[in-house]
Amino acid sequence: DAKTTQPTSMDCAEGRAANLPCNHSTISGNEYVYWYRQIHSQGPQYIIHGLKNNETNEMASLIITEDRKSSTLILPHATLRDTAVYYCIVRETSGSRLTFGEGTQLTVNP
Amino acid sequence: KAGVTQTPRYLIKTRGQQVTLSCSPISGHRSVSWYQQTPGQGLQFLFEYFSETQRNKGNFPGRFSGRQFSNSRSEMNVSTLELGDSALYLCASSFRRQFSTDTQYFGPGTRLTVL
Repeated sequence: DAKTTQPTSMDCAEGRAANLPCNHSTISGNEYVYWYRQIHSQGPQYIIHGLKNNETNEMASLIITEDRKSSTLILPHATLRDTAVYYCIVRETSGSRLTFGEGTQLTVNP
Repeated sequence: KAGVTQTPRYLIKTRGQQVTLSCSPISGHRSVSWYQQTPGQGLQFLFEYFSETQRNKGNFPGRFSGRQFSNSRSEMNVSTLELGDSALYLCASSFRRQFSTDTQYFGPGTRLTVL
């Protein structure tokens, strides 16, 4: 799986959009970008995934650059409950293994 | 639809003992993967089971093993426990469809403490 680079930590004000970047410059054509988050000592929670088009669901939006070398996860209106470690993962279509990096610790402040 | 369940949620064992953890996947999911999370190593893949067969394995010693039953429920076993085996053990399930993306959904984990 391609490696990803994320900032170690970010802060966001409650009610504002949180934009979490991820670099994956070695991504291959058949590899998807997945985002999970983990609230302290809980199991990781799936957020969203995409291949090359932008994606949106009830939790977040995923913006993938045209060259697919980077992406941004957007939480449109961050709440205190969005405080968590966010993991950006690149994986093959049929791959069963998720390779987690260090992730980004997002802290939403009141 | 119920999520992934893991039992027990917390476990305390002593060195040298063995332990069995259980995972029930989301209904209809046929693949179960196990991960270990420690402060030092982060989240690491242990193995995946599909159709009662181990399909993929991470870089862990043979003391770590698992199995899957015909109803897709899975167990993992750690023998001869070491202090370093203290961790959060996570189970994730998915459909494991061919030629398609296959999202894994995680359970709450089992917190194992080895004394």
